[in-house]
Amino acid sequence: DGGITQSPKYLFRKEGQNVTLSCEQNLNHDAMYWYRQDPGQGLRLIYYSQIVNDFQKGDIAEGYSVSREKKESFPLTVTSAQKNPTAFYLCASTYGTGLGEQFFGPGTRLTVL
Amino acid sequence: KQEVTQIPAALSVPEGENLVLNCSFTDSAIYNLQWFRQDPGKGLTSLLLIQSSQREQTSGRLNASLDKSSGRSTLYIAASQPGDSATYLCAGRDNYGQNFVFGPGTRLSVLP
Repeated sequence: DGGITQSPKYLFRKEGQNVTLSCEQNLNHDAMYWYRQDPGQGLRLIYYSQIVNDFQKGDIAEGYSVSREKKESFPLTVTSAQKNPTAFYLCASTYGTGLGEQFFGPGTRLTVL
Repeated sequence: KQEVTQIPAALSVPEGENLVLNCSFTDSAIYNLQWFRQDPGKGLTSLLLIQSSQREQTSGRLNASLDKSSGRSTLYIAASQPGDSATYLCAGRDNYGQNFVFGPGTRLSVLP
């Protein structure tokens, strides 16, 4: 089955730690995205990538980093510089340049202890 | 900067009712628009995408329309069922940006 997988489903981070969230897709999509979702708010864009080895900052990129070494994979690192990282993180992808339908993974819930 | 509102924030209806969810954009220059469904603790499921050349899309009991002149979209759900209970989000891409901007969602409860 084609789709987007995210791991882990739940992640706990101690203060000062960096953690990496995984996102993999087998849809052959070029564009991939990371969003953050907080209660009562819409999704906010963290980073996006339209092609391998290239990515752009979204609205709330501070404290996060990404890489796009393979078309299928777009991992997100939440660094210790992110002061309020507790949230639900969603990965998405679209076909081609990103103007089409967007598909989402199941999400990772990150909690800071 | 494009902002999206969704009205109502929450809605509770008895099973079988037809209902309308609303989505509005501060900038009416919408390129395309997508409606999603989200169950608690889950990712988003795509329901309908209205492309730039379209005014509406239909899938089963769902119909979404887009009025670009006013920057408004509606999602119509016919004969609602308890399984329709979820949060519904709209997201639009304007003519200038590369990415979707999301609304906060409408939480729908359909009572049996």
